[in-house]
Amino acid sequence: SYELIQPPSVSVSPGQTATITCSGDKFEDKYACWFQQKPGQSPVLVIYQDTKRPSGIPERFSGSNSGNTATLTISGTQAMDEADYYCQAWDSSTVVFGGGTKLTVL
Amino acid sequence: QVQLRESGPGLVKPSETLSLTCTVSGGSISSYYWSWIRQPPGKGLEWIAYIYYSGSTNYNPSLKSRVTISVDTSKNQFSLKVTSVTAADTAVYYCAREIRGHHTFDIWGQGTMVSVSS
Repeated sequence: SYELIQPPSVSVSPGQTATITCSGDKFEDKYACWFQQKPGQSPVLVIYQDTKRPSGIPERFSGSNSGNTATLTISGTQAMDEADYYCQAWDSSTVVFGGGTKLTVL
Repeated sequence: QVQLRESGPGLVKPSETLSLTCTVSGGSISSYYWSWIRQPPGKGLEWIAYIYYSGSTNYNPSLKSRVTISVDTSKNQFSLKVTSVTAADTAVYYCAREIRGHHTFDIWGQGTMVSVSS
């Protein structure tokens, strides 16, 4: 089965750029999506189809996908961005999630 | 505005069947794919199954033998059954709507916690 690998944790200072990666075999051949989940809340889609932002998602969230790695970039990170982030893909008619990355803003 | 709400027992005994329902309000269940996703305490997201409003389904291979997803368009609901549950099935269970053509989820329910314990 297809696997998506994320770093368990990433730290960033307020105002700086946070980068969260998600690796999978030939990931560029699929579309990457990203979810943000804050404690006690349901996940929120922040990026889909590699680079698209749903309505209401701030412009500081962006995505890319090349080779074996998709990347979620948060520019000018704010304290409110502290959360768990999950990548997701579609493979062989099934949904696959990465293990999640805890983003700490300090 | 479409909203999803999960409902069902919060406690299930080991070896019994977990049954949950997701009610879709503010819109029609038609013409969309609908999924169940779960999250064990302190752990990541795990996709369980999806169903199209017409009834076609697909399942996570690791759970397929114990899971059934179904839809009732007359009630604007879809449901999940997991048989022979163990403590490993303890999780927050979410229902979610798939964005048309994009195989990802734009609307999620608030989630319902299900514990498996005697």
